[in-house]
Amino acid sequence: NAGVTQTPKFQVLKTGQSMTLQCAQDMNHNSMYWYRQDPGMGLRLIYYSASEGTTDKGEVPNGYNVSRLNKREFSLRLESAAPSQTSVYFCACWGRQQPQHFGDGTRLSIL
Amino acid sequence: KQEVTQIPAALSVPEGENLVLNCSFTDSAIYNLQWFRQDPGKGLTSLLLIQSSQREQTSGRLNASLDKSSGRSTLYIAASQPGDSATYLCAVFKAAGNKLTFGGGTRVLVKP
Repeated sequence: NAGVTQTPKFQVLKTGQSMTLQCAQDMNHNSMYWYRQDPGMGLRLIYYSASEGTTDKGEVPNGYNVSRLNKREFSLRLESAAPSQTSVYFCACWGRQQPQHFGDGTRLSIL
Repeated sequence: KQEVTQIPAALSVPEGENLVLNCSFTDSAIYNLQWFRQDPGKGLTSLLLIQSSQREQTSGRLNASLDKSSGRSTLYIAASQPGDSATYLCAVFKAAGNKLTFGGGTRVLVKP
């Protein structure tokens, strides 16, 4: 089925550990996004990639890095995890004249 | 900076009643507006997409209107059912910047 696939679905890290969240889409859309969702804060954009080979900062980029590996894949890396990065992370993709499509999310806890 | 507001934050109605959810935005220079549904612990499901040139979109019991000049959109859900219980989010897409700005959502409970 066409859509956005995120891995892993759940992860627990210790402070200072690093990890990469993976996202892949098979909708052939140019733009991809990473959001975080926190209670009372809504959905906030971390980074986005308007097209293959480009990335730009969103509203809350500090502590994160991204890689647009190819048209299908857009990964989010936490180099040194902090408790403030405990959140639910969503990846999305978008093509012109189309709705944004979201993955099911990665629930990340940092102890 | 675009700001998107959804009022009320929560809504409880008896089954069968029509739902009216409001969304307002501060910058009318939008490319499109999208309504999403989110169930607890789940991702976002796109319900309706309204392009900036459109006034409304309909899908089954759902109807969304857009008034760009006043910065408002309304989602109507006819004859609500307990299965409509969820959080509904609106988001506006501004072409300059290539990104969505989300409202805080309206949490809906439909009582049987």
